[in-house]
Amino acid sequence: GAGVSQSPSNKVTEKGKDVELRCDPISGHTALYWYRQSLGQGLEFLIYFQGNSAPDKSGLPSDRFSAERTGGSVSTLTIQRTQQEDSAVYLCASSTTGLGQETQYFGPGTRLLVL
Amino acid sequence: QKEVEQNSGPLSVPEGAIASLNCTYSDRGSQSFFWYRQYSGKSPELIMFIYSNGDKEDGRFTAQLNKASQYVSLLIRDSQPSDSATYLCAVNRPGGYNKLIFGAGTRLAVHP
Repeated sequence: GAGVSQSPSNKVTEKGKDVELRCDPISGHTALYWYRQSLGQGLEFLIYFQGNSAPDKSGLPSDRFSAERTGGSVSTLTIQRTQQEDSAVYLCASSTTGLGQETQYFGPGTRLLVL
Repeated sequence: QKEVEQNSGPLSVPEGAIASLNCTYSDRGSQSFFWYRQYSGKSPELIMFIYSNGDKEDGRFTAQLNKASQYVSLLIRDSQPSDSATYLCAVNRPGGYNKLIFGAGTRLAVHP
């Protein structure tokens, strides 16, 4: 594809419900990253994928958060039993190999609101 | 101390002036430095990257890196109202993969 795409663009859910956020990286990019950006804040790293494996999950804030990547392409971030503090913009980025000094390209984000 | 620090602003400059955005980082082993621009409600887009000490120019933008002082800056010449955005500094955490640590961003407002 031309760029990183994410869906849905907006998601409103009730506290306690599960949500799934999807990321489709740039074609051929093996590295994929998830970030979270709360209102007025910088980007908080969540997880890094190299192919289908996740060598760095250190940014996931709790065990309610999980992510997977299949076929070395699409990734899904799942938040179980959502809480109000999960409300944020969830951004996905991809880069060519994940090595060296590469540029990360960002998708448009999913704006999550937990009521 | 945060790993990457930026003044949150807002930095207000008149149209046509030079805007100077600053960023400091704590990890001396960091090797690559990125400036992203983020318009309100939009995703970050890369403006410039710099790896070596000194200046790097690209059009109206100049990135400056001083590894000894752990300091990186972005200068925007002939600022335009369309430059009004939040500028995010990102630093590569050394070792392993290309992990970026982001600052909280500086909000720039260019007024006519």
